[in-house]
Amino acid sequence: EIQLVESGGGLVKPGGSLRLSCSASGFSFSDFGMNWVRQAPGKGLEWVSSISNNSEYIYSGDSVEGRFSVSRDNAESSLFLQMNSLRVEDTAVYFCVRLRVSQGYAFDYWGQGVLVTVSS
Amino acid sequence: DLEMTQSPSSLSASVGDRVTITCQASHGIDDYLNWYQQKPGKPPKLLIHDASNLERGVPARFSGSGSGTHFTLTINSLQPEDIATYYCQQYHSLITFGGGTKVE
Repeated sequence: EIQLVESGGGLVKPGGSLRLSCSASGFSFSDFGMNWVRQAPGKGLEWVSSISNNSEYIYSGDSVEGRFSVSRDNAESSLFLQMNSLRVEDTAVYFCVRLRVSQGYAFDYWGQGVLVTVSS
Repeated sequence: DLEMTQSPSSLSASVGDRVTITCQASHGIDDYLNWYQQKPGKPPKLLIHDASNLERGVPARFSGSGSGTHFTLTINSLQPEDIATYYCQQYHSLITFGGGTKVE
């Protein structure tokens, strides 16, 4: 069974930092690109960052560019999101998401999400 | 930046109704569009990939169409378990989601 389990969320003050982790199991992690997608309370989905299977290609959305950094450890089947200079508007549930590139380029497996709250 | 505009933002329908949700891209994206369903408190679920290809296990009452800038998701004969929010997502230029359509 494919599982993605996020951890590391919590309450942080504006300007602070937080590191999210995602532990993957049930598939060959090193074969897949991975992503972070977030959802502010009561709002829609927003793509955050992507990282290719071998970390060669990394992309981020405009709202987090220069503040957030995605990385991965294929030996540990883990995905990370380092979040710096956090703002109130970064408050959201953050989902770890697998990217499938065969049979379409789509987000086929999602974690349950982890809540990050930025507040003073 | 490529923007995705969904309409309506919400709709009310009855069991058995045919429901149509549209997604408009600000620039042509060929068929690089996916649809997701999200129920409260749950992560999204992939329904349709590449505009019109039904994901395995998704009921056949769901269908997608379109290419270029205009896309539709249709639910034929709405069922109670279809009450959810639906999102389109393009991957022609990085990744962008539409704003969502809540089906009540």
